[in-house]
Amino acid sequence: NAGVTQTPKFQVLKTGQSMTLQCAQDMNHNSMYWYRQDPGMGLRLIYYSASEGTTDKGEVPNGYNVSRLNKREFSLRLESAAPSQTSVYFCASSGWGVETQYFGPGTRLLVL
Amino acid sequence: GENVEQHPSTLSVQEGDSAVIKCTYSDSASNYFPWYKQELGKRPQLIIDIRSNVGEKKDQRIAVTLNKTAKHFSLHITETQPEDSAVYFCAASNTGTASKLTFGTGTRLQVTL
Repeated sequence: NAGVTQTPKFQVLKTGQSMTLQCAQDMNHNSMYWYRQDPGMGLRLIYYSASEGTTDKGEVPNGYNVSRLNKREFSLRLESAAPSQTSVYFCASSGWGVETQYFGPGTRLLVL
Repeated sequence: GENVEQHPSTLSVQEGDSAVIKCTYSDSASNYFPWYKQELGKRPQLIIDIRSNVGEKKDQRIAVTLNKTAKHFSLHITETQPEDSAVYFCAASNTGTASKLTFGTGTRLQVTL
């Protein structure tokens, strides 16, 4: 039981490049989330998926897109990376009617 | 939307002393308040949570209190140990089909020997 997994662990991009961050969970959770963490700003919600087939914007969605591929997988895409997107990205999941969120190990992204 | 403020941003205590971290929230509809601990380079992990129908909850050396009227909640750690050193985040949400957490900005707790 791996919980929430994320790939890659670390990535360096040049401005304008695109990439997809992958997230998967094996806890049969309905809801999945993407956060970014910047120094002094805590974790901010980018997008979330309440259930398979639905996605909604969070607090800071600009510059990102998401796909809920199936119940297990929720990906985050940067179409044209900008230095302001340098951050640590965390994926999380929670069960139906259960508020506790379980986080993945994070992806550290550097945009030059 | 919800806004969560957290204080202090840094806190240094001696081993064995108590530590208190305070948070306020703005949305009176929020009904779930978790606390996460994040060690350096690691993922946030839930340490305790409280729901709006409860005023206090304890788990060994950790306790959380909630004042719904004043819209603030606090984390209390007693008999601090070096392994308590980490960044602590409070959060709030109005639970439904998805728990959209709004986080505070974090408190870096350092427990010195």
